[in-house]
This record gives sequence, structure tokens and C-alpha cells, in this order.
Amino acid sequence: DTGVSQNPRHKITKRGQNVTFRCDPISEHNRLYWYRQTLGQGPEFLTYFQNEAQLEKSRLLSDRFSAERPKGSFSTLEIQRTEQGDSAMYLCASNTGGIYGYTFGSGTRLTVV
Amino acid sequence: AQSVTQPDIHITVSEGASLELRCNYSYGATPYLFWYVQSPGQGLQLLLKYFSGDTLVQGIKGFEAEFKRSQSSFNLRKPSVHWSDAAEYFCAVGAGTGNQFYFGTGTSLTVIP
Repeated sequence: DTGVSQNPRHKITKRGQNVTFRCDPISEHNRLYWYRQTLGQGPEFLTYFQNEAQLEKSRLLSDRFSAERPKGSFSTLEIQRTEQGDSAMYLCASNTGGIYGYTFGSGTRLTVV
Repeated sequence: AQSVTQPDIHITVSEGASLELRCNYSYGATPYLFWYVQSPGQGLQLLLKYFSGDTLVQGIKGFEAEFKRSQSSFNLRKPSVHWSDAAEYFCAVGAGTGNQFYFGTGTSLTVIP
């Protein structure tokens, strides 16, 4: 069990560029979640997958955001045409069911300049 | 709708002193409740969870929390803080489906020698 792995750890991009983040969950976890955390706030839910199916999306996930989990293993989160308001820590988590809580990755910190 | 309130933005305690971090939640049914800890630049680590049974739950690193339904509270306690406990603490509530957690805005803990 190597934990939840997120890459890259940091990303600086210019406004208007596209960025993609990757998350590798714990291998036996069938659920994968994406959260966003801005400075001074708690994490906010973005979306969640059960295996390869994206079952729930937050209103925070605008049409510039897309997430995939093609084979039910790793997941990617893409942000198109980045804006300064997208600057945040993007956290990935996984588990086998909600009552067990999450195992979080270390996050990807995005800075849009 | 579910929500979590952490009324203390920042708390300072002396090393060796006791600690209590407050958490109040809003949820119509029996909630799943969690406490997470986050060190700077890191993801969140699960300290403890409650979803049924004994209302006093024990967690890692010597932490405990008590679920009080009548007060809609889930306060985190530690009898003697260590300098390494300095971090950000988040309370979270999960719905019955467990698909999405709602986090509070966090309490920042400073430990002075």
C-alpha cells in the first residue's frame, strides 16, 4: 500500500493554458474523489468515481473542468483555459465506501499567473 | 443541507496542556463524522471517525472525540499536546450515501513551548 499518489506536486501556469493532474489511488479502493481547497478553507467536493463511472459532480465543476478514470484505476483532472480563480490545492482521495473516510493524497498546488 | 462549523479559526496552547477543538454540524439524520489533520503543504490525514455505537471515539496520536447528538457537536480532544501536533484540523460530515463529505473551514493549532 503506497498510499494515494498525485502528480505533479506543484504546477504554475499562465492564464488561458490547459493543465492536467493525475491521481493514483490505493489499488484496492474502488472509489476516487477530487476536492479543491483554497487558502484558509476546507476542501470542497468536485467529483467522484466508482470504478470508471463518474457518479457525481459538484456545481463547482464548471464546463472547463473534466475528470476521467478510464480503467477504474488512475484518474486525471483537466482544467481548460485556466483562470486566476482556479489557483488552489487539488486533492485526490480514495476509499471503499463513505463510512470509512478517505485516504488523501498530498495534493497538487496550482498557481495561475 | 449538510454543513460543518468550526468556530475557532486559530487556537494557541502550551505544550503539555489539554486541547479541545470545537465542531458543530448540521445534518438531518445520523451523520458520519470525521476529524482530519493537515500539515503545511500536505494532504489530510484521518485522525478518527464516528458513524455509530459508542459516542466517544479514540483515534490516532492520542486524540479522541465525543459525539453529542443533542448539541450537534463532535469536539476533538487531547489531554496533553505535543509540539508536533501543530497543524490545521478539519472536521467533516458525510451523508448517508457517503459519497461526499462537507468540511469545516478548519482550526489552526499553534503549540508554544
